[in-house]
Amino acid sequence: DQQVKQNSPSLSVQEGRISILNCDYTNSMFDYFLWYKKYPAEGPTFLISISSIKDKNEDGRFTVFLNKSAKHLSLHIVPSQPGDSAVYFCAATGNQFYFGTGTSLTVIP
Amino acid sequence: NAGVMQNPRHLVRRRGQEARLRCSPMKGHSHVYWYRQLPEEGLKFMVYLQKENIIDESGMPKERFSAEFPKEGPSILRIQQVVRGDSAAYFCASSHTGQGASLEGYTFGSGTRLTVV
Repeated sequence: DQQVKQNSPSLSVQEGRISILNCDYTNSMFDYFLWYKKYPAEGPTFLISISSIKDKNEDGRFTVFLNKSAKHLSLHIVPSQPGDSAVYFCAATGNQFYFGTGTSLTVIP
Repeated sequence: NAGVMQNPRHLVRRRGQEARLRCSPMKGHSHVYWYRQLPEEGLKFMVYLQKENIIDESGMPKERFSAEFPKEGPSILRIQQVVRGDSAAYFCASSHTGQGASLEGYTFGSGTRLTVV
């Protein structure tokens, strides 16, 4: 029973272009949504979050958009850099954290 | 200020042996969570502990798996009589506030990669 879904296992983007990572969820009661970034052989690191009462949160090159009616959130990275190449997990919180299966982003120099 | 420390980084066990994974939370964090990542899958919640208490173990397999977070020392995830299907990356995370609603997220360790041969 996957409450948070990332349907694209991988994404390739040219350096300098925009990366858009998508995430869908099923539970309308989730309070917060988060994105984590994970490099190989390392643990996930917190990237950016958004409260369910907002529809956008921006931090530098990273922006998270939340569409509650569609139960969809997305992470925009612009401009994309080679160092952004990693696996990105979205997560949603209610009484616990639920993680998606991850999207592997490759930024091509 | 060290982050979440997990050891060992890699652990190889033969089928039937026991595996012990250790996690020391960030300084000042009293909430510990264990997650498992199977190949080609996301992070799956296993258990949430506070000092000396298991708060939520809804993600723990019913048999062979146990976890503790004693008053002194690290949290331990113990897997008895390991099988090949237990091979995975096990991540520990900690937080200052309790499980669930938080904009801060958890701080994760680098994980223990368990291989059962």
